[in-house]
Amino acid sequence: QVQLQESGPGLVKPSETLSLTCSVSGYSITSAYYWGWIRQPPGKGLEWIGSIYHSGSTDFNPSLKSRVTISVDTSKNQFSLKLGSVTAADTATYYCAKLWGRWFDSWGQGTLVTVSS
Amino acid sequence: EIVLTQSPATLSLSPGERATLSCRASQSVSSYLAWYQQKAGQAPRLLVHDASNRATGIPARFSGSGSGTDFTLTISSLEPEDFAVYYCQQRSDWPLTFGGGTKVEIK
Repeated sequence: QVQLQESGPGLVKPSETLSLTCSVSGYSITSAYYWGWIRQPPGKGLEWIGSIYHSGSTDFNPSLKSRVTISVDTSKNQFSLKLGSVTAADTATYYCAKLWGRWFDSWGQGTLVTVSS
Repeated sequence: EIVLTQSPATLSLSPGERATLSCRASQSVSSYLAWYQQKAGQAPRLLVHDASNRATGIPARFSGSGSGTDFTLTISSLEPEDFAVYYCQQRSDWPLTFGGGTKVEIK
């Protein structure tokens, strides 16, 4: 059973870069599948941020593409998200997930990131 | 971008009642639609994929139907643990998009 766990700072200052890591257990990240990030502002709906294949190829939401980097660290069985130039609008719970045929079939518990000075 | 519109925004029902949730796509997504359940403080859980296929471990009271632009998630008889927010998601085209959600609350 694959398990995912997000980690990273819970508070980021405006204009800085949000950095999160997703640790994967129970499955080798290099074996297959896409891995992705989704966010959810407080009290609102879900927004797909981007996804990365185990080979390193990526897809991003055009609304965030200019600010997003997603990478894989196969040695640690982790993948990471960086979102630059954050504003208060980026305050959200960030989830990492495993994709199966572009469906999100396993999710981390989520981590709340607040953007505030 | 494909926009998914869910209705109603809120559904007030009693345990044992039937719930019918709708998801409409701004253009055809064929059968490339999924449904997720999200309980308060938890991550979403995949319920149905490819419009009508239940995910592993999902009870038979959950069923999905539809194709093209109009989709329905039906919960045949609500259990107490089914009161939650439900989201649809399409994978027909990038970017992957979600609907705004339907909250199923206890009447």
